[in-house]
Amino acid sequence: ILNVEQSPQSLHVQEGDSTNFTCSFPSSNFYALHWYRWETAKSPEALFVMTLNGDEKKKGRISATLNTKEGYSYLYIKGSQPEDSATYLCAFLRGGSNYKLTFGKGTLLTVNP
Amino acid sequence: GAVVSQHPSWVICKSGTSVKIECRSLDFQATTMFWYRQFPKKSLMLMATSNEGSKATYEQGVEKDKFLINHASLTLSTLTVTSAHPEDSSFYICSARDGQGGRLWQPQHFGDGTRLSIL
Repeated sequence: ILNVEQSPQSLHVQEGDSTNFTCSFPSSNFYALHWYRWETAKSPEALFVMTLNGDEKKKGRISATLNTKEGYSYLYIKGSQPEDSATYLCAFLRGGSNYKLTFGKGTLLTVNP
Repeated sequence: GAVVSQHPSWVICKSGTSVKIECRSLDFQATTMFWYRQFPKKSLMLMATSNEGSKATYEQGVEKDKFLINHASLTLSTLTVTSAHPEDSSFYICSARDGQGGRLWQPQHFGDGTRLSIL
């Protein structure tokens, strides 16, 4: 059983704060790591797909880093806005898994105005 | 962007009823679709992988006869929960992968999910 852990489970920040959370995954047989944003009553939306150790991806105020050797990825949000409130999911894709993702439980972010 | 439509979004029905959930890719062809289930405060758990024109591949512990999957076209997969019981109450969500060969690391495109409540 693959273990994908996300921390913290939830956090509350004030508008304008920067924040980050962690996804840890098995360091062996890595193929890719996905980050999704899941707003209430909507479908999960892909943020990043990361495939290479040392990868850094950025989309607006959101960025992510990847360390495959030690098995972790960080997601950063700079200057949080209320519309960033959502659950952020990471999902690990193991090599040879026939494209089956293993998800963490997610980090629920609430940004207070 | 790629859109996946899932219906219904919410179902309440009596124990013993069979419930069908549809997952459609609206603007791309999905050779592979995935069905997940999520219990409260748990992660999305893969139930089965649905491949167009062939039998679904079920994860360990998922009953094939209980959760019937049909992927008869490149844009539609259905999950039927047969003779549903209260313990089948959960959140079910589908996703699809754009079947362009070789790009196995591309993200999955999700439906909105179906909340199933069995009384």
